[in-house]
Amino acid sequence: AQSVTQLGSHVSVSEGALVLLRCNYSSSVPPYLFWYVQYPNQGLQLLLKYTTGATLVKGINGFEAEFKKSETSFHLTKPSAHMSDAAEYFCAVSVTGNQFYFGTGTSLTVIP
Amino acid sequence: EAGVAQSPRYKIIEKRQSVAFWCNPISGHATLYWYQQILGQGPKLLIQFQNNGVVDDSQLPKDRFSAERLKGVDSTLKIQPAKLEDSAVYLCASTVRGAPQNEQFFGPGTRLTVL
Repeated sequence: AQSVTQLGSHVSVSEGALVLLRCNYSSSVPPYLFWYVQYPNQGLQLLLKYTTGATLVKGINGFEAEFKKSETSFHLTKPSAHMSDAAEYFCAVSVTGNQFYFGTGTSLTVIP
Repeated sequence: EAGVAQSPRYKIIEKRQSVAFWCNPISGHATLYWYQQILGQGPKLLIQFQNNGVVDDSQLPKDRFSAERLKGVDSTLKIQPAKLEDSAVYLCASTVRGAPQNEQFFGPGTRLTVL
């Protein structure tokens, strides 16, 4: 069975500081990995995804994530946080065509 | 390109009442998903349609929840009767086809409060 663990339900960073949101997955086969962002009262929006090929994936709004098979991780980073980055972030894994498995989310607060 | 549309955006009902949600996916998207997102949790898949057929409804509480996508386009999700624990945001998503590498596009959700 597939599962996703997001360490830290709440993360606070200062504006301009590094953002690091952690995601670990379990999967018996190579997975497809996704990061979604959810702003208040809105649906989820794709930030980036890993399917095959290069393990460092760049997404929108300056975010990137690296797939590390040996660590079963797909951590999300951004070099410099903006106030507009404050939102809920979800990591998800997909193996078959049927289901996405989402983590419980990490709420990012950016301190001015 | 229009996104995934959902209505209503908010609904408040009393327990044991019935409620229905509507979703219109992105044009041309064959696969449609309904998710339940309880406060503080990630979305949980309730049901997946491929065109008008059900692909996966293993996590749908079938004693009270039902869903249909009769013409393979828009879909409705119904709860009858509602319980307090059904309070959540119900998200609809669609994708071109249900391949694991394909991005799912999400609607804004319907926030249900059961009193």
